[in-house]
Amino acid sequence: DSGVTQTPKHLITATGQRVTLRCSPRSGDLSVYWYQQSLDQGLQFLIHYYNGEERAKGNILERFSAQQFPDLHSELNLSSLELGDSALYFCASSVAGVETQYFGPGTRLLVL
Amino acid sequence: DAKTTQPPSMDCAEGRAANLPCNHSTISGNEYVYWYRQIHSQGPQYIIHGLKNNETNEMASLIITEDRKSSTLILPHATLRDTAVYYCIAYAGGTSYGKLTFGQGTILTVHP
Repeated sequence: DSGVTQTPKHLITATGQRVTLRCSPRSGDLSVYWYQQSLDQGLQFLIHYYNGEERAKGNILERFSAQQFPDLHSELNLSSLELGDSALYFCASSVAGVETQYFGPGTRLLVL
Repeated sequence: DAKTTQPPSMDCAEGRAANLPCNHSTISGNEYVYWYRQIHSQGPQYIIHGLKNNETNEMASLIITEDRKSSTLILPHATLRDTAVYYCIAYAGGTSYGKLTFGQGTILTVHP
């Protein structure tokens, strides 16, 4: 158990819909990262937040957005969902911005 | 971040040492070598990291060559539960703004 929690574990929705994935970092960690893992793309970095501020963006679609709240939990919002958005979404956290990242168990999203 | 190269798959007998190689010939001086593993579709699990010196923890040992162009992860007594995809990542932390770049990794299969 890494100490990072993610909800929900599984999510099934339809194309065109919007979903929100939630992540709670390890106690004391200020940084949260989001990654997407699909069958054809592997594990890809999406975005990094540090203490409420966006620090870096990776291959994140414009339909996707994230935020980190004052209590340091983070949410990843996916809208206008397409079949190709079906994937595992992982959240990771670290103390600040350069240390070891610890990953949560992931949310499996299936878009039908 | 420097590109890393790993063999696509390896086998190991249970109870024997598993030695997983990684080539990172273009690694820069401030990049650490990190190892993660992913069991099934679980969240990536941190194993170990190092900069120049060999490192050991309760999970594994990391041997980095003197020129830092390659490294080997050693699982001293592999068990069936060590069957996973192992990722070697060159990571500079601050300059990468938290972006871990995962390649294809090595699928390690431990057999009885």
